[in-house]
Order: sequence, then C-alpha cells, then structure tokens
Amino acid sequence: DTAVSQTPKYLVTQMGNDKSIKCEQNLGHDTMYWYKQDSKKFLKIMFSYNNKELIINETVPNRFSPKSPDKAHLNLHINSLELGDSAVYFCASSQGGRGESSYNEQFFGPGTRLTVL
Amino acid sequence: DQQVKQNSPSLSVQEGRISILNCDYTNSMFDYFLWYKKYPAEGPTFLISISSIKDKNEDGRFTVFLNKSAKHLSLHIVPSQPGDSAVYFCAASAMDSSYKLIFGSGTRLLVRP
Repeated sequence: DTAVSQTPKYLVTQMGNDKSIKCEQNLGHDTMYWYKQDSKKFLKIMFSYNNKELIINETVPNRFSPKSPDKAHLNLHINSLELGDSAVYFCASSQGGRGESSYNEQFFGPGTRLTVL
Repeated sequence: DQQVKQNSPSLSVQEGRISILNCDYTNSMFDYFLWYKKYPAEGPTFLISISSIKDKNEDGRFTVFLNKSAKHLSLHIVPSQPGDSAVYFCAASAMDSSYKLIFGSGTRLLVRP
C-alpha cells in the first residue's frame, strides 16, 4: 500500500509529443506537489495544489499543465515535449496547513524518469 | 540564486563513526528545515526536521543542529551504518511562502564497512 504512487515509472517519447504523468496519494493529505529533478540533481518545485486549488505555480513553461481531479490525485500533462524536459519528475504530498510549517513534511513518490528523444 | 546550499557533494566515513552533513541558507525568512534521504531510483524520504525556534532536534541516531545566526544547519548520524549510504538533501521553507520547499543540491554519503 504505497503512500504516494506515480505512473509510469519510465517514459520515453519523441520530441513534440504530448504525455501525462499520474500521481495518487492515500495519506489523506490536503496538498500535493510536482517537482523536477534536473541533470544537476536539483529538486525544484513546479506546482502545488491544496484541496484542488493551485497555490504554487513556479516559472514553468505553459506547456506544463497540472490537473487535480480531487485532493488525492495530481496529474501532470506536458504538451509539445522538448529535449530539455528530460528529467525525473517527483510527486509529493503533505498535510499542508497555511502557517503551520510542521505540516510541510512532504512525502514523495518514486519518481518518473522522462526521456525525450 | 541558490538559497539552500550543500557545498560538499560527497562524504565518505567509516562504519561506526560520525557522519556530519552540512547545509547553509541565505534567506532569513526560512523558519522550518528538513533533511531528506534518497536512495537510487526512489523518491526522497523524510528523515528529520527542525523549527527555527529550536537549535537541536534528535531522533535516534540522527540529530539536526540549527545555528540561525550563521544560517547553518547540520545533520549528525551516530553511529553511521552502511545502510545510511544515500544522497541527503537539506530543504527549507518560509511561513509566508505557502508550502514551498527549497532544496539543496544534495550530499552523497558513503559509509564504508
């Protein structure tokens, strides 16, 4: 019973394609996130949703669109894939709670390695 | 502009000895700090955290120290075990930034048997 799961684990695709990565958490958390780990191994926040509301939207190309059908799911759709999109994408969740930093302990999924050829 | 820095990309220690991983930050608004451990092909796993109102937090073999005046924190692992070999990420958040975590670049720890 995985707490935060992502599918697929590996994704290899051609430039210009559109792809989606799915994320689900069964922890009952209110907040979910997408992070990108680039070739230099930095983990950078992309988006965050709290109870299906977008609360963090970093400087990310608008080819990336998150979608949260309910608070247990946060999917990432990427249009017109480019070579530079190749990275490992991590989904995470936390209990959240504005002003309550202790609720920001985030639980991560196993990652999706995206390779754009 | 890196707000959270881990200047040592790697560290090697003997089993049973102490491992000390360091992290520096620049944003004085950070009020909560976390350490994550990551094995290859897995997601980061939460290890230990500390609020800015404390200077030390301990959990078993893991202790995090925070020096606010120096904007520095460290993770001590005593005694180190081969299973501790992983990449350790330091992360920080500020109360006014919603739930955003800013991560360092990680330190790869190798514990030699």
